[in-house]
Amino acid sequence: GENVEQHPSTLSVQEGDSAVIKCTYSDSASNYFPWYKQELGKRPQLIIDIRSNVGEKKDQRIAVTLNKTAKHFSLHITETQPEDSAVYFCAAIASGNTPLVFGKGTRLSVIA
Amino acid sequence: GAGVSQSPRYKVAKRGQDVALRCDPISGHVSLFWYQQALGQGPEFLTYFQNEAQLDKSGLPSDRFFAERPEGSVSTLKIQRTQQEDSAVYLCATQLGNTIYFGEGSWLTVV
Repeated sequence: GENVEQHPSTLSVQEGDSAVIKCTYSDSASNYFPWYKQELGKRPQLIIDIRSNVGEKKDQRIAVTLNKTAKHFSLHITETQPEDSAVYFCAAIASGNTPLVFGKGTRLSVIA
Repeated sequence: GAGVSQSPRYKVAKRGQDVALRCDPISGHVSLFWYQQALGQGPEFLTYFQNEAQLDKSGLPSDRFFAERPEGSVSTLKIQRTQQEDSAVYLCATQLGNTIYFGEGSWLTVV
């Protein structure tokens, strides 16, 4: 089955700096890669996703890149703000009938 | 409803007690998943339904865990003889295409 590894487990950045979180996956059949932000006590919230037919997607300060050959994908947050502080999870899925497999999460702290 | 609804939001159970956690999915969403999220960890897959059929229960950690969705809508996750290691947030999610919709979760604490 699919296995998703996520690094780093914790990340501290100064406000205004960029943050990068990296994930690798094992199942070459995986074709959809969402990223979730989870604040304490809240449900995971989808912030951006990428499908296997594109290499990069950007939404304002957030971007995701995908390297299918190397089976890794990354989340980039630019101009970080204190409200970006949360736990971020990557995930991978092979098809609509299979469960999302999550990474173990990255706790991002943005220091003002 | 507008989203995935879970109840109870918070449950404290004594060790050995049985608990039942309910998920009301978004109307019309065929696929329903249960995840377990321990403190500081990512969500871990428990089981998956397509309508009323339980297609995958490989993630259930023991035979004390049981899930059902008898009419293809509301689902219940039951945990028998709860243990301290069962303490976690139990997330229900439904899926439409590749988009996953999470409920707020049921926080279970076993004391």
